[in-house]
Amino acid sequence: QVQLVQSGAEVKKPGASVKISCKASGYSFNNYYIHWVRQAPGQGLEWMGIINPGGGSTSYAQKFQGRISMTRDTSTSTVYMDLSSLRSEDTAVYYCAREGGFGELLGCAYWGQGTLVTASS
Amino acid sequence: DIVMTQTPLSSPVTLGQPASISCRSSQSLVHSDGNTYLSWLQQRPGQPPRLLIYKISNRFSGVPDRFSGSGAGTDFTLKISRVEAEDVGVYYCMHAAQFSLTITFGQGTRLEIK
Repeated sequence: QVQLVQSGAEVKKPGASVKISCKASGYSFNNYYIHWVRQAPGQGLEWMGIINPGGGSTSYAQKFQGRISMTRDTSTSTVYMDLSSLRSEDTAVYYCAREGGFGELLGCAYWGQGTLVTASS
Repeated sequence: DIVMTQTPLSSPVTLGQPASISCRSSQSLVHSDGNTYLSWLQQRPGQPPRLLIYKISNRFSGVPDRFSGSGAGTDFTLKISRVEAEDVGVYYCMHAAQFSLTITFGQGTRLEIK
């Protein structure tokens, strides 16, 4: 079955960077996009970007351009999301999610368990 | 940029009764391939979201048939035919833009039991 397992909670000082991992299993890693979505406490879902694990290409939400980077390691079926210059407003649960469609975007169909990132001095 | 607006933001319903959530986009979601990439997700308390409906009306794997989606162009609706206790949570509509590979979420609708 499709599984996405994320790395553990992080506490960072403002201005620092955080790197979260998302290890995929149960399907062909190269064939499905991975999204990153975050959710601030008590708030809605915010899409951050997408990576094609096969070729490594990415697309980021404009809001995060310049301080976000998504990479992948095909040897371990793991994708990474790096967010720099953290501020208190970045405190949120960060999710990776596998795309539901093959060859088209249908939506975030399979989700990791979430990683809480706390940005606080 | 496309803006997705959901109504209502909160919906108290009685168990066993139907529920309906609306989602309106700021521009047509019809893609050049003829498909409309509008999806619905459910987020139960304390859990990650899960995909319910894709391309307006297609139920994702394992989704009960009491959930249905409809609509076209800029106006879409998620309906629950008979609400059960496990349906409590927040529902989001979502658009996937195929060329730019970007996702836009609605602000969410909280479904609660009266």
